[in-house]
Amino acid sequence: AQSVTQPDIHITVSEGASLELRCNYSYGATPYLFWYVQSPGQGLQLLLKYFSGDTLVQGIKGFEAEFKRSQSSFNLRKPSVHWSDAAEYFCAVGPHTGGFKTIFGAGTRLFVKA
Amino acid sequence: ETGVTQSPTHLIKTRGQQVTLRCSSQSGHNTVSWYQQALGQGPQFIFQYYREEENGRGNFPPRFSGLQFPNYSSELNVNALELDDSALYLCASSATSGGYNEQFFGPGTRLTVL
Repeated sequence: AQSVTQPDIHITVSEGASLELRCNYSYGATPYLFWYVQSPGQGLQLLLKYFSGDTLVQGIKGFEAEFKRSQSSFNLRKPSVHWSDAAEYFCAVGPHTGGFKTIFGAGTRLFVKA
Repeated sequence: ETGVTQSPTHLIKTRGQQVTLRCSSQSGHNTVSWYQQALGQGPQFIFQYYREEENGRGNFPPRFSGLQFPNYSSELNVNALELDDSALYLCASSATSGGYNEQFFGPGTRLTVL
């Protein structure tokens, strides 16, 4: 069955420290992979996406993610966290060929302490 | 360019009632997907509309139905509301169907069923 697992329900990071949010997926083929961010009361905003090619993907707001096929992972990273990064982060997979259904993980809530 | 808009922002209904939620897609987009996001969960795919036809459906009962209009705006209708229908309902538009297309999300409609 297709699924996305985000093992960490919440993470607390000090401002200026580095961040890594974990994402593992289960999919029958190579999926499209996404990271979204959701601030309180807001919809989801796309941070970055992976379709093919270079396994290290750069996104907006200084985020990057690395696709590791052998580990079925797509972890999100940021070298230095800002207080404004506090939000909920969702990893998602979309169908590679045709199809329509995007599957989201349960999310990781990021808290940033001063 | 206008982004994805949803109305109403908040809605309170009682069990057994019916509700209609509305979504205006981003200019130039012909595909709308609807998601249900329960508290503390990731979005769950309800269905997708592509050029006024339902293009796919997630694991939701038939009392969840939708429409897409010639201008590609969309409605989500839920009949016989249940307490578990309380959630944030998100719509997302994309340039066309297919998992590779970036989805642009609206801010959502918060539905509370009492």
